[in-house]
Amino acid sequence: DAGVIQSPRHEVTEMGQEVTLRCKPISGHDYLFWYRQTMMRGLELLIYFNNNVPIDDSGMPEDRFSAKMPNASFSTLKIQPSEPRDSAVYFCASSLGMNTEAFFGQGTRLTVV
Amino acid sequence: RKEVEQDPGPFNVPEGATVAFNCTYSNSASQSFFWYRQDCRKEPKLLMSVYSSGNEDGRFTAQLNRASQYISLLIRDSKLSDSATYLCGPMEYGNKLVFGAGTILRVKS
Repeated sequence: DAGVIQSPRHEVTEMGQEVTLRCKPISGHDYLFWYRQTMMRGLELLIYFNNNVPIDDSGMPEDRFSAKMPNASFSTLKIQPSEPRDSAVYFCASSLGMNTEAFFGQGTRLTVV
Repeated sequence: RKEVEQDPGPFNVPEGATVAFNCTYSNSASQSFFWYRQDCRKEPKLLMSVYSSGNEDGRFTAQLNRASQYISLLIRDSKLSDSATYLCGPMEYGNKLVFGAGTILRVKS
């Protein structure tokens, strides 16, 4: 398996624009996690899914952020409208089942100017 | 109180030294624990899983103290290649995997 695949790897956008980040988890993995990493706040859990259903979205910063998982092989994280403070590295990770390790994608480095 | 707290460091140690990091967690219902290693501008990668009182893998030893709600990572005979950020990740109820901000280790020759 190719591992968790995220796209794009880098994104530079202007304030106010919509940004969509994409993730393909490892085939057969039941859990999918979205994280945001910054120097100031570390690695924050935004939302996670089990079998395509959102379980906990308490980490989503505000209504500008939304995440979907329409099927077992694809998830998106959307920011609309984007702001400079959203600049960070966004990681997607997946895990096989309960209490198992999560495998991370290479991340999307987002810069909002 | 943060869910997971780690000393950010950096820990600067010479090659061959033994170094230990601690991680405290607030959710007493946490079931499993993970140590991840993250190199600069890369994704976190699993170093070790801890499901009971501890785990050992070569030069790396993790110990869990549920009563005090902390987990430690011990690295013996440090190598230059051990330089990285070490992230502590307790898995809370419902398979919610959260992380501390990480501890920076720098091993110098």
